[in-house]
Amino acid sequence: DSGVTQTPKHLITATGQRVTLRCSPRSGDLSVYWYQQSLDQGLQFLIQYYNGEERAKGNILERFSAQQFPDLHSELNLSSLELGDSALYFCASSVKMMDEKLFFGSGTQLSVL
Amino acid sequence: DAKTTQPNSMESNEEEPVHLPCNHSTISGTDYIHWYRQLPSQGPEYVIHGLTSNVNNRMASLAIAEDRKSSTLILHRATLRDAAVYYCILRDGTGANNLFFGTGTRLTVIP
Repeated sequence: DSGVTQTPKHLITATGQRVTLRCSPRSGDLSVYWYQQSLDQGLQFLIQYYNGEERAKGNILERFSAQQFPDLHSELNLSSLELGDSALYFCASSVKMMDEKLFFGSGTQLSVL
Repeated sequence: DAKTTQPNSMESNEEEPVHLPCNHSTISGTDYIHWYRQLPSQGPEYVIHGLTSNVNNRMASLAIAEDRKSSTLILHRATLRDAAVYYCILRDGTGANNLFFGTGTRLTVIP
């Protein structure tokens, strides 16, 4: 158990809908990262937050947004969903903004039908 | 971001050492070499990292070539629980902390 909690574990929805994925980092970790893993693209970095502020952006679509709240949990919002958004979404956390180790949650499996 | 090249798959017999290679010929002086692994149905898990010198921890050893253009992750005694995809990643020590995963090496451990 990495200490990073992601909910829900599975999510099934339809095209055009909007969903919210939630991540609780390890206790004491200030940095949160979101990754997307699909069969054809592998693990792709989406976005990083540190202590509530956005710090780095990767291949995140404009239909996707994220935020980190004062209690340090984070949410990833996916809107106008398409079939191609079906993937595993991982959250990771680390103590500092620049840290050697990332701790990953077990992911949210999103299926868009 | 500098790129890494790994074999797609490798096999090992249980309780034997495993050497997982990684080439990173375009590595820069500030790039750290990280290894993560992903067990089936789980998120990636940190294994080890290094900059220039060889590193050991309870999970594995990391051997870094003198010119830093390649490295090898060494599992001293493979167990069935070590079957996973192993990712070799370069992280710029002066840049953002995001990790860029490649396709990794799928390790199969044969009982």
